[in-house]
Amino acid sequence: GQQLNQSPQSMFIQEGEDVSMNCTSSSIFNTWLWYKQDPGEGPVLLIALYKAGELTSNGRLTAQFGITRKDSFLNISASIPSDVGIYFCAAEPNIQVRNTGNQFYFGTGTSLTVIP
Amino acid sequence: DGGITQSPKYLFRKEGQNVTLSCEQNLNHDAMYWYRQDPGQGLRLIYYSQIVNDFQKGDIAEGYSVSREKKESFPLTVTSAQKNPTAFYLCASRSQGPGNQPQHFGDGTRLSIL
Repeated sequence: GQQLNQSPQSMFIQEGEDVSMNCTSSSIFNTWLWYKQDPGEGPVLLIALYKAGELTSNGRLTAQFGITRKDSFLNISASIPSDVGIYFCAAEPNIQVRNTGNQFYFGTGTSLTVIP
Repeated sequence: DGGITQSPKYLFRKEGQNVTLSCEQNLNHDAMYWYRQDPGQGLRLIYYSQIVNDFQKGDIAEGYSVSREKKESFPLTVTSAQKNPTAFYLCASRSQGPGNQPQHFGDGTRLSIL
């Protein structure tokens, strides 16, 4: 299926710094999801967004559903070593498109390294 | 605990051999999915199933087969026709209830060639 444009591809930051990553597309989506994946494990859902303009927090994580419905960003504040991993965005088109095929599109991931 | 269980964690395949990856969920989810993950790439959809006894090909179904005889189970067979099977395989499921429910993932199976 179509890949979302996720950036940056990788980040190396000092512990305590804030992090920002985003996903963009030329298509409109009804749902944006953000996952974190540790090495050798499956992705774990961090935040789900269902409405354009929605801003949702989960602890030090904040994500927003872009107003155009074509993008989303994820911020991590005051990073800590356990934030290390790969972060993926995922997006789902509207229900009419959903029932005709591939239901989710995925970004290529942002690899985050936190230096203590 | 409710969740998605994939087994085995690691699997090795000989040339010309078919292998089957297991995926079981006790979340009462209707839809189940298989993805392939290669280094530096996003998830690519192999097969998905929205109801028992029905499944659809994803973007890279060639060389793979699935079955959905029970709601809880969605095994993936990697056949000898798949010439480059080395990858990390992820199973996911979701509820088909009201609203856009997110997918939840298992912990994956890493398949390697002997």
